[in-house]
Amino acid sequence: DAGVIQSPRHEVTEMGQEVTLRCKPISGHDYLFWYRQTMMRGLELLIYFNNNVPIDDSGMPEDRFSAKMPNASFSTLKIQPSEPRDSAVYFCASSLDRGAYNSPLHFGNGTRLTVT
Amino acid sequence: RKEVEQDPGPFNVPEGATVAFNCTYSNSASQSFFWYRQDCRKEPKLLMSVYSSGNEDGRFTAQLNRASQYISLLIRDSKLSDSATYLCVVTQGAGAGGTSYGKLTFGQGTILTVHP
Repeated sequence: DAGVIQSPRHEVTEMGQEVTLRCKPISGHDYLFWYRQTMMRGLELLIYFNNNVPIDDSGMPEDRFSAKMPNASFSTLKIQPSEPRDSAVYFCASSLDRGAYNSPLHFGNGTRLTVT
Repeated sequence: RKEVEQDPGPFNVPEGATVAFNCTYSNSASQSFFWYRQDCRKEPKLLMSVYSSGNEDGRFTAQLNRASQYISLLIRDSKLSDSATYLCVVTQGAGAGGTSYGKLTFGQGTILTVHP
């Protein structure tokens, strides 16, 4: 089975540019999560969706960040405009259920974003 | 206080050693508990769930102490391949209500290096 697929794997951009990260969850998973990982702050939940509907976006750092899930097989995380402090690894994850023992998170390979 | 706190590490142990990590959580309504493993520059992957009665999976033993609000991971007979970052993960239960239900919070991670 294909796992969670993220693209691009690496993104280098200049400050002020728009960045779009993409994610395809595992088929049949009802929950999709976007995480950001840095050395200083570890893994932080940015937003999660249930059946394509955003449920909790309290982790989105500011208005420059937005996420969409137009259908069950695709989600995007957009940063506009990007800033150097956005540099991090962004992970997408999906699961059948949230926080349940029988429903672990499956992570994608991540997108390593560098904003110069 | 952070929601989930782990031993700072890093832990450097020889092959064959036994090593233990602890993790404390602040929310008494937390419902589910997990250990994830993350290899360098890779995505986190589920290592094992942590059940109230404690559970074992080969060389790995996980314990939960709800009264003291901590979980532990014990690795026996360490292998070189056990070198990784171990992430403690806690989810909030139904009692938290609203959008917090099922929210997975990751600890900062503990780095383990097993040397020959």
